[in-house]
Amino acid sequence: GAGVSQSPSNKVTEKGKDVELRCDPISGHTALYWYRQSLGQGLEFLIYFQGNSAPDKSGLPSDRFSAERTGGSVSTLTIQRTQQEDSAVYLCASSSFPEGQYFGPGTRLLVL
Amino acid sequence: GIQVEQSPPDLILQEGANSTLRCNFSDSVNNLQWFHQNPWGQLINLFYIPSGTKQNGRLSATTVATERYSLLYISSSQTTDSGVYFCAVGPSGNTPLVFGKGTRLSVIA
Repeated sequence: GAGVSQSPSNKVTEKGKDVELRCDPISGHTALYWYRQSLGQGLEFLIYFQGNSAPDKSGLPSDRFSAERTGGSVSTLTIQRTQQEDSAVYLCASSSFPEGQYFGPGTRLLVL
Repeated sequence: GIQVEQSPPDLILQEGANSTLRCNFSDSVNNLQWFHQNPWGQLINLFYIPSGTKQNGRLSATTVATERYSLLYISSSQTTDSGVYFCAVGPSGNTPLVFGKGTRLSVIA
């Protein structure tokens, strides 16, 4: 079946602009995760949705970052007033226990 | 939080050689996965292996949960095996993963 998809693949923006990143999880997966991969920090967790529960936002680096998941499926990660240090690859994953997490191809964000 | 250490950080192999990658973790886990990140950045699932042993073709993995380590074996390596191998763990099935820093493998023809 279809895997996790993300859009856009690449995004170049100017410092101070807002960006929205989209994730379509695997159909039927109840859990959805956002991670970020940057040169200095490796792979780090950002936010996690499980069913209808309140999201776990403990990994968000600042209040400029937010995410929502509509209808238990598609998720959007929003970064407001982007900074150069936000440049990274943003990865989305989904899972359904007892399987592991499956990752999308990522969105490469460059803030100029 | 859980700490994950992978070794070696870098590995260069001649095509056809075998290798063992190690992942140590600091606390009990109920989720452990191995991933291969290819040169295009895609994270590919290799194994979901919180305990026991699994094999898939030339790859196999063993997790000894009581001793807090996992091993990934690559046999008869090929140039397409090049990339970064990540170990990631979590306290339970559907919880965020904590990643190690990875092992960068280069297989030379």
